[in-house]
Amino acid sequence: EPEVTQTPSHQVTQMGQEVILRCVPISNHLYFYWYRQILGQKVEFLVSFYNNEISEKSEIFDDQFSVERPDGSNFTLKIRSTKLEDSAMYFCASSETLVGQPQHFGDGTRLSIL
Amino acid sequence: AQTVTQSQPEMSVQEAETVTLSCTYDTSESDYYLFWYKQPPSRQMILVIRQEAYKQQNATENRFSVNFQKAAKSFSLKISDSQLGDAAMYFCAYERRNDMRFGAGTRLTVKP
Repeated sequence: EPEVTQTPSHQVTQMGQEVILRCVPISNHLYFYWYRQILGQKVEFLVSFYNNEISEKSEIFDDQFSVERPDGSNFTLKIRSTKLEDSAMYFCASSETLVGQPQHFGDGTRLSIL
Repeated sequence: AQTVTQSQPEMSVQEAETVTLSCTYDTSESDYYLFWYKQPPSRQMILVIRQEAYKQQNATENRFSVNFQKAAKSFSLKISDSQLGDAAMYFCAYERRNDMRFGAGTRLTVKP
């Protein structure tokens, strides 16, 4: 069964540095998402992306964050000038075109900011 | 903003027994989708079951079924004949226009 893959599985970065989290969605999916899960807390929606544009974003997704689909397969989340509170699990997900289709999640990237 | 509440941080069930996980949500919309996702220790979130708000019939997927009460904004998950592999974090989620909101999760333990 096709899967969403995320790399790296664990990223350690110094505070203030930029980090790029990578995701390869399922190939025939057209909607892409990023979520984060701070340790011990709920999964939080960050952004959805369709047709090379942000479709929806939450209040968390401020100017520090950006997303990009640099080629036909990768979907990236860039976090500029990282802060300690950015430490979390970051999940990528993808779904087919229709709203309400289930989202398929990757294994997540654990981001640790030192 | 839509909120999703799971009032049970932890639940426990004996193997082969039935357990119900609670979820309530707050929305002013009439057209939305509800999901239950399972997150085992391996971290990947897996879809368990999905419900369209416009459908009155409760969704069922093998041993998993929901009790969807739209007026009460309640969406509980029933797991029948619980198995050891059902042990995981379970997240209730609300989606509208590709914006998905999750509850805080319920950790389910299955006792042999």
